[in-house]
Amino acid sequence: ETGVTQSPTHLIKTRGQQVTLRCSSQSGHNTVSWYQQALGQGPQFIFQYYREEENGRGNFPPRFSGLQFPNYSSELNVNALELDDSALYLCASSLRDYTNTEAFFGQGTRLTVV
Amino acid sequence: AQSVTQLGSHVSVSEGALVLLRCNYSSSVPPYLFWYVQYPNQGLQLLLKYTTGATLVKGINGFEAEFKKSETSFHLTKPSAHMSDAAEYFCAVSPPINAGNNRKLIWGLGTSLAVNP
Repeated sequence: ETGVTQSPTHLIKTRGQQVTLRCSSQSGHNTVSWYQQALGQGPQFIFQYYREEENGRGNFPPRFSGLQFPNYSSELNVNALELDDSALYLCASSLRDYTNTEAFFGQGTRLTVV
Repeated sequence: AQSVTQLGSHVSVSEGALVLLRCNYSSSVPPYLFWYVQYPNQGLQLLLKYTTGATLVKGINGFEAEFKKSETSFHLTKPSAHMSDAAEYFCAVSPPINAGNNRKLIWGLGTSLAVNP
């Protein structure tokens, strides 16, 4: 067990709706990264947060947004859901300082858009 | 730009046989290299990583990988496969310490390992 917790584990939404996914990072970790993993694919980097600020973004539209809170937990928000947003969303926590490059992943949230 | 190629989307071995999963990367500077395993309906678990130092790294569950700079490879091996090794395996890279602030991981497409009795 990594100590990274994501909620909910499964979610079904209708096209056009909005969704919020949550991630509690491992104790002591100040950086959270979000990834989207479509079925049969490798994870794709969405964005990363370090100390409550966005610290890099992948090739995702602005309707994908995030937050990081003072306790380093994080949210991923997706507006105007599309069918292609159906995927496993993974949260990874790590230390920003360069002595530790390991990221610990949560179990993921399986989002289905119908 | 960095990229990762995993040769073979599906690999099937017999129980007790050698496991070899291939990973090649493209990067202007030697990156940090990782292998992760993903069991069905689960998140990703780190198997092993290479950052600096010894190029042969040992991980959990009897897996090891060797960083070969000249071949830009980081192949994953295990001498004897177990049924419990059946899973999806992902190779990933990230920029080294001095290459920028973004510590995102860039992933291969994954290799599905099947272990036959």
